[in-house]
This record gives sequence, C-alpha cells and structure tokens, in this order.
Amino acid sequence: QLQLQESGPGLVKPSETLSLNCSVSGGSISSSAYYWGWIRQPPGKGLEWMGSIFYDGTTYYNPSLKGRGTMSVDTSKNQYSLSVNSLTAADTAVYYCAMTYSSDPKAGTFDIWGLGTLVIVSS
Amino acid sequence: DIQMTQSPSTLSASVGDRVTITCRASQSIGSWLAWYQQKPGKAPNLLIFKTSSLESGVPSRFSGSGSGTEFTLTISSLQPDDFATYYCQQYHTYSTFGQGTKLEIK
Repeated sequence: QLQLQESGPGLVKPSETLSLNCSVSGGSISSSAYYWGWIRQPPGKGLEWMGSIFYDGTTYYNPSLKGRGTMSVDTSKNQYSLSVNSLTAADTAVYYCAMTYSSDPKAGTFDIWGLGTLVIVSS
Repeated sequence: DIQMTQSPSTLSASVGDRVTITCRASQSIGSWLAWYQQKPGKAPNLLIFKTSSLESGVPSRFSGSGSGTEFTLTISSLQPDDFATYYCQQYHTYSTFGQGTKLEIK
C-alpha cells in the first residue's frame, strides 16, 4: 500500500521560497501507473489543487500560482518536491501531497494523501 | 478555468436523514467528477469517482449522480460518522475543487 509523507519548514518569511518534499513508500515514484500532486488548504478554507507531475517529469500547474510554483521528481530518493517563491501570508496553508492513478476512470482523482504539513508565512 | 460551486455551504441534519449536496460546474465536465469527505485535522478521503462510482470500502448509503454541469451527492440515511465536510472535484481539465459543504448535526 502506497504511503506519502510531506516534510517542510513549518515557518517561512514573506518574499522567501517554500520548499516541500513528499516521500513515497510502498511503491515506485517512477511507475507509469501513478502521478503525483500537491493540494493546499488555508486554515478554515477549502482545497486548492496546485499542480501535478508525471513519472516522466511532465508538469501541470494551477494558473492561479502565476508561475511561482515548480515541481520535480527525485527518483533516487523516491520523492517529489514543490517549491513556491515570492511567498505572502495568503500562502499560509496545510500542504498535502497526493497520488493519482494514471489510467481512467480515476486519472485525476486523488486516491492516497499524505497527512499534510502546515506552512505559516510570517515575519 | 473551470469553477465548481457547491450548495449549500452548510447543511444541518439528523441521524437517519437523507441529504443531498449539489455541485455545479461552470462548463461541461462530462462525468469527470469526484466527491471527497474530510474530517477536522485529517486529509480528504475519496468517496466517489466518475460521478457515480463508489470507491472501495465506502458504504453504499453514499451515491452520486449527474452529468455535464450538475451533480449531486446523496447520503441515504445519515450515520454519526458522516458529519464532516464534503468537496466535489472536477478532473476534466486539470483539477478544481468546490468550496465545500459542511454537514453538521441538527
């Protein structure tokens, strides 16, 4: 059974860059059967898809990020990452990593989630 | 971008009630609609995919229907464990979530 675990700094300053990692266990991040996403949730608010990355490195981002986000895969560590630059208080949220199956009818649903990691943007 | 609008935002109901949550898409998404349940402090949990397919292990009291731009999630007989927040998600074009419906005890 696949498991995902986020790791990150917890507190970052405005204008700085956030870097988060998602460690995958129980399966290979290189498998063509899956792809990988990031979703965030500001305190007390709803879910926002941030982006997804495929095993071959192809990425798709939410246009609302306005070019501030970058995702990558590290196959040697079986993990993938998200970085977001030019942070503001509006980026304060719980950040989740999640797995998607790559074949229909579930290509796009988030089937397995990490526990989430809270990131606070504050000076 | 495809926008997803859920209604109501909050729903008060009692154990045993039948409840329905609606999700509307700003343009047609075919049947590419999923529903999630989220409890406080926890990650969301997939309930239904492709509008009406029940995820493995999800009780049969949950059902989904719709197509195009209008979709519903129905819980046929509320159980205490069902009080949570529910989100719809379109996965026709990238991904967008609805704003959520909080199901609370009346």
